[in-house]
Amino acid sequence: GAVVSQHPSWVICKSGTSVKIECRSLDFQATTMFWYRQFPKQSLMLMATSNEGSKATYEQGVEKDKFLINHASLTLSTLTVTSAHPEDSSFYICSASPLGGETQYFGPGTRLLVL
Amino acid sequence: AQSVSQHNHHVILSEAASLELGCNYSYGGTVNLFWYVQYPGQHLQLLLKYFSGDPLVKGIKGFEAEFIKSKFSFNLRKPSVQWSDTAEYFCAVNADAGNNRKLIWGLGTSLAVNP
Repeated sequence: GAVVSQHPSWVICKSGTSVKIECRSLDFQATTMFWYRQFPKQSLMLMATSNEGSKATYEQGVEKDKFLINHASLTLSTLTVTSAHPEDSSFYICSASPLGGETQYFGPGTRLLVL
Repeated sequence: AQSVSQHNHHVILSEAASLELGCNYSYGGTVNLFWYVQYPGQHLQLLLKYFSGDPLVKGIKGFEAEFIKSKFSFNLRKPSVQWSDTAEYFCAVNADAGNNRKLIWGLGTSLAVNP
């Protein structure tokens, strides 16, 4: 149980284009989903907390207009990297917490390479 | 500011050796505590967690951790490691348990077990 999927698993795009990453909780409903970036050999950096049906809460230093988050249902959250640049290349990971639960379950991550 | 520190950044052990990874946090209120593991090329998996009750918690694959409130610590242990335990280990704390699910992460400990 508590499986989280991400799609795509990796993506290569040209600078200036937008990329959408999906995060789905497959066997549970999640009121809260989280989006992270993970840099090589480093810990996770929380970008934003996504609550179903409301606006996401962004961490300090994360541009909300660049990283658009939509959490339209209890099983799906999307992260759109708008006008991507090479410095946005990273490993993006989502996690989800079940209704009433305190534990985060993680997706496999999406590796983004912006050329 | 709330923080989580993992004392060992890199640990190298031989098979059958005992393991203890340190984790300390700075927050005086109610906390939920987690250890996650990331095997090479895989996504983050929950090893074990502590919310309340018995401060000695047992997780998957023979791991256990002890919550010592007076020391603000949640050290991870395993009496006899295997080569398959080679992975990155992250300690995380929910420092506002019950109010939000945001986690504060340690920088991780890279464990290499030699066969």
